[in-house]
Amino acid sequence: DAGVIQSPRHEVTEMGQEVTLRCKPISGHNSLFWYRQTMMRGLELLIYFNNNVPIDDSGMPEDRFSAKMPNASFSTLKIQPSEPRDSAVYFCASSLRWDRTHEQYFGPGTRLTVT
Amino acid sequence: DAKTTQPPSMDCAEGRAANLPCNHSTISGNEYVYWYRQIHSQGPQYIIHGLKNNETNEMASLIITEDRKSSTLILPHATLRDTAVYYCIVRAMDLSTSGTYKYIFGTGTRLKVLA
Repeated sequence: DAGVIQSPRHEVTEMGQEVTLRCKPISGHNSLFWYRQTMMRGLELLIYFNNNVPIDDSGMPEDRFSAKMPNASFSTLKIQPSEPRDSAVYFCASSLRWDRTHEQYFGPGTRLTVT
Repeated sequence: DAKTTQPPSMDCAEGRAANLPCNHSTISGNEYVYWYRQIHSQGPQYIIHGLKNNETNEMASLIITEDRKSSTLILPHATLRDTAVYYCIVRAMDLSTSGTYKYIFGTGTRLKVLA
């Protein structure tokens, strides 16, 4: 298996632009997580899905952030409009909900820079 | 959610055992302790987890105190490739019907293995 796939790996955009980050979870996994990592705040959980349904979005910083999971093999995290403080590395992770270890498999991340 | 406390950094000589401590004094009886690590610029990687018994796998050993208020991750023979940030996480149970467990990452311990 190729693991969790994220695209793009790097994104540079100007303030005010819309940004869409993409994630393909490991085939067969039914839980998906979006995290954000910055030097100041560390690794933060933004939102997670079970069976394509958003379960907890309490970590989403504000209404400019939205996430969707239209099917089991694809999810997006959108920021509109983007701001410089959104600059961070965004990780997507997936897990098999009923796996004994509940191990989360992380993707390589998308490094977002908003100028 | 139980919080964890870890030393910000540690050094270890290559070939020696690395012992990484973690305090989780407010842990609940049904909460597991997980360890992940993050090698520079990569997504976090699962290492090991436990409830109250000591655990060992091919990567590491986990020692949990009898009162479960602290634990130690042991890398028996540290190599340069073990240089990473190590996160101790108490898995917070999702009290909704979904049953997914979410992680609350702390600041971790930056382990540097020295040649």
